[in-house]
Amino acid sequence: DTGVSQDPRHKITKRGQNVTFRCDPISEHNRLYWYRQTLGQGPEFLTYFQNEAQLEKSRLLSDRFSAERPKGSFSTLEIQRTEQGDSAMYLCASSTSGLAGGHSYNEQFFGPGTRLTVL
Amino acid sequence: AQSVTQPDIHITVSEGASLELRCNYSYGATPYLFWYVQSPGQGLQLLLKYFSGDTLVQGIKGFEAEFKRSQSSFNLRKPSVHWSDAAEYFCAVGPFSGGYNKLIFGAGTRLAVHP
Repeated sequence: DTGVSQDPRHKITKRGQNVTFRCDPISEHNRLYWYRQTLGQGPEFLTYFQNEAQLEKSRLLSDRFSAERPKGSFSTLEIQRTEQGDSAMYLCASSTSGLAGGHSYNEQFFGPGTRLTVL
Repeated sequence: AQSVTQPDIHITVSEGASLELRCNYSYGATPYLFWYVQSPGQGLQLLLKYFSGDTLVQGIKGFEAEFKRSQSSFNLRKPSVHWSDAAEYFCAVGPFSGGYNKLIFGAGTRLAVHP
């Protein structure tokens, strides 16, 4: 178990450019989440995958954002035509599914995040 | 709507002193409650969680939290703070309809520890 990894750790881009981030979850985890964390705030839910299916998207995820998990393993988050308001830390988390100790919650393990700065 | 409030943005304590970080939630059913810690350059690490049963839960690193339904609170405590506890702490609530376990986080409390 090497934990959740994210790449790159930092990205600086100019407004209007496209960026793509990658998340590699813990290998046996079938659930994957993306969150966004702006300065001085807690993480906000963006989207969720179970295996390769994207099952929920927050209204925070505008049309410029797209996420994929093509083979149910790693995931990518792409932002098109970046804006300065997109500057944030993008966090990925993964978990198993099903019951754990009689409860439906399964601990989400977070990666270190990708910090995006849009100039 | 579901929400989490952490009233204290910054807290400074002396090493060895006791600590209490406040968390209030708004949730329509029995919540699952969590405390996470985030150190610079690190991902969020789960300190402890409450699902049901005993309202005083123990976590890692000597932390504990108490669920008080009447006050809609889930405050985090530690009897003696160490310098390595300096970090940002987030309270979170979940899951939600659909059972997808997405979390709603508070804005966080940044803890500074004086030697």
